[in-house]
Amino acid sequence: GAGVSQSPSNKVTEKGKDVELRCDPISGHTALYWYRQRLGQGLEFLIYFQGNSAPDKSGLPSDRFSAERTGESVSTLTIQRTQQEDSAVYLCASSTSGLGNTIYFGEGSWLTVV
Amino acid sequence: GIQVEQSPPDLILQEGANSTLRCNFSDSVNNLQWFHQNPWGQLINLFYIPSGTKQNGRLSATTVATERYSLLYISSSQTTDSGVYFCAVFTGGGNKLTFGTGTQLKVEL
Repeated sequence: GAGVSQSPSNKVTEKGKDVELRCDPISGHTALYWYRQRLGQGLEFLIYFQGNSAPDKSGLPSDRFSAERTGESVSTLTIQRTQQEDSAVYLCASSTSGLGNTIYFGEGSWLTVV
Repeated sequence: GIQVEQSPPDLILQEGANSTLRCNFSDSVNNLQWFHQNPWGQLINLFYIPSGTKQNGRLSATTVATERYSLLYISSSQTTDSGVYFCAVFTGGGNKLTFGTGTQLKVEL
């Protein structure tokens, strides 16, 4: 597609449920990032994928969070047993490679845990 | 880890005014980018500027890597410039782009 596509755009879930967020990067982009942004706050790094290399998971806040990516295509971010503090917008970005290239963001998935 | 501080945190301008936003970082960087987050949350990449000066219309940016800061200039501001401006940096061999604290800009008629 023309840009980074994320789904769902909005999700309301009950505390304790699992959620899955999807990111479809720009075609040909080998690098893919997930960030979290709480209301009125900055962006927190979660995880980074580069091609077939092992992902950098250093930003995942707990073992309830996990992410997968198949090759250089779609990525899914899974949050298990959601808590109210997980409420945030989850932003995905991609670039042609990790370092030294323009990064393009999707419109985000707004998650509300009630 | 690297610290990225932006100033001012908040700014209100009258339409047509000029402004300078600053980004200070605590360590050497090899990639610096400026982003605009519009009121609907969409992040748009403005500049990739690890060093030197670039201009794009009413916006320009300068990074002085040796002194660990970057500046974003907005001239003849418009209401559509409102939103949050972030700088973000890569360091060393790191994979993550670390974002600054942001400057919230409001341009009024």
